[in-house]
Amino acid sequence: EAGVTQFPSHSVIEKGQTVTLRCDPISGHDNLYWYRRVMGKEIKFLLHFVKESKQDESGMPNNRFLAERTGGTYSTLKVQPAELEDSGVYFCASSRTVRRYTGELFFGEGSRLTVL
Amino acid sequence: KQEVTQIPAALSVPEGENLVLNCSFTDSAIYNLQWFRQDPGKGLTSLLLIQSSQREQTSGRLNASLDKSSGRSTLYIAASQPGDSATYLCAVNQGGSEKLVFGKGTKLTVNP
Repeated sequence: EAGVTQFPSHSVIEKGQTVTLRCDPISGHDNLYWYRRVMGKEIKFLLHFVKESKQDESGMPNNRFLAERTGGTYSTLKVQPAELEDSGVYFCASSRTVRRYTGELFFGEGSRLTVL
Repeated sequence: KQEVTQIPAALSVPEGENLVLNCSFTDSAIYNLQWFRQDPGKGLTSLLLIQSSQREQTSGRLNASLDKSSGRSTLYIAASQPGDSATYLCAVNQGGSEKLVFGKGTKLTVNP
């Protein structure tokens, strides 16, 4: 069974440009999460999808970030326009059931974003 | 606002040593606490999940304890091995959402 896959693994863009990160969760996992780690800081929650619906988007930093999960399969996270402080590693995770009961949460390897 | 602190930030030990990693959180009203491991350039792997009603969980050489009232958790690793070298992250979940609040992690190096 394939794990959570993220693309690209590393993206380098200029300030003001647009970047789209993609996450393919494990097949059959209804829950999909985005987290990010900015240099020197802890990993922070961005948002949680249940199928195609946004269950919790309280961690989205501002309206330059747009996450979608059309059809309840893969998800994209678009940053437009990118700013220097957006640099970091963006992690995607998925789970079949709600995580809190089982602890089963599978993370991808992350997409490293560098904004110059 | 929940804050999670992990001490120490880095730890280097010789192979075979027993060790303890510490995690503290400011708001004791948590739903559960989870320990993760992250290898360089990789994603996070869940190690242990402790529900708020539990005191500890064990998996192999790993034992995690939880003292909710004092806002503390420890991860005990017995007979450490070079393969245990990784960053260990503690995260708490509070009621109302699936959101995890992470600490910055402890980078462990086990020297052969």
